Amino acid sequence: DIQMTQSPSSVSASVGDRVTITCRASQGISSWLAWFQQKPGKAPKLLIYTASTLQSGVPSRFSGSGSGTDFTLTITSLQPEDFATYYCQQGSIFPFTFGPGTKVDIK
Amino acid sequence: QVQLVESGGGVVQPGKSLRLSCTASGFTFSDFGMHWVRQAPGKGLEWVAVIWFDGSNEYYTESVKGRFTISRDNSKNTVFLQMSSLRAEDTAVYYCVRDWGRGATTLEFWGQGTLVTVSS
Repeated sequence: DIQMTQSPSSVSASVGDRVTITCRASQGISSWLAWFQQKPGKAPKLLIYTASTLQSGVPSRFSGSGSGTDFTLTITSLQPEDFATYYCQQGSIFPFTFGPGTKVDIK
Repeated sequence: QVQLVESGGGVVQPGKSLRLSCTASGFTFSDFGMHWVRQAPGKGLEWVAVIWFDGSNEYYTESVKGRFTISRDNSKNTVFLQMSSLRAEDTAVYYCVRDWGRGATTLEFWGQGTLVTVSS
């Protein structure tokens, strides 16, 4: 299986901060990488797919980049509603696998 | 708008079976692949299975192979997850997820989930 790692595991930030989360795949996955946001007690929400394509309705302060094995999710100017856990997921090879998550909380 | 409503969760004893259902609305169900993804309490996400738009292909994560079966009834806009020989480690919220396309590309729309608890 492809192993996905994320760093950091948690980050404390303030409203208006720029936050960067990295995701690494144990083998190349081209651009088959998605990012999800999950708030407590809620279902995950797709933010970005194919590494850099913003899902419809997602604010432009979210962006993704990378290909191969190394990927990044950036949130520019963090908003109160962005405090959540973020997961990356590879969709290149079955079984699809997720990273362990990065919790973004209030500083 | 896209709606996915899961049902069938509950408390079940180890070794027993349970069938989850997910009824879809707001889109042409027969045009999209469908997934199940689970999340154990306080843990991360784990992809479980996918079925192609027409039921022609299915894939599973290793830990459920031979125990879980994904299926669909396009006439009823419903996808199922038949779970047998359940174990304590299958305890989780199970999410039904619509793919972006006809097979397995992107986990686009998620239901609210149904909780399965395996306990004696």
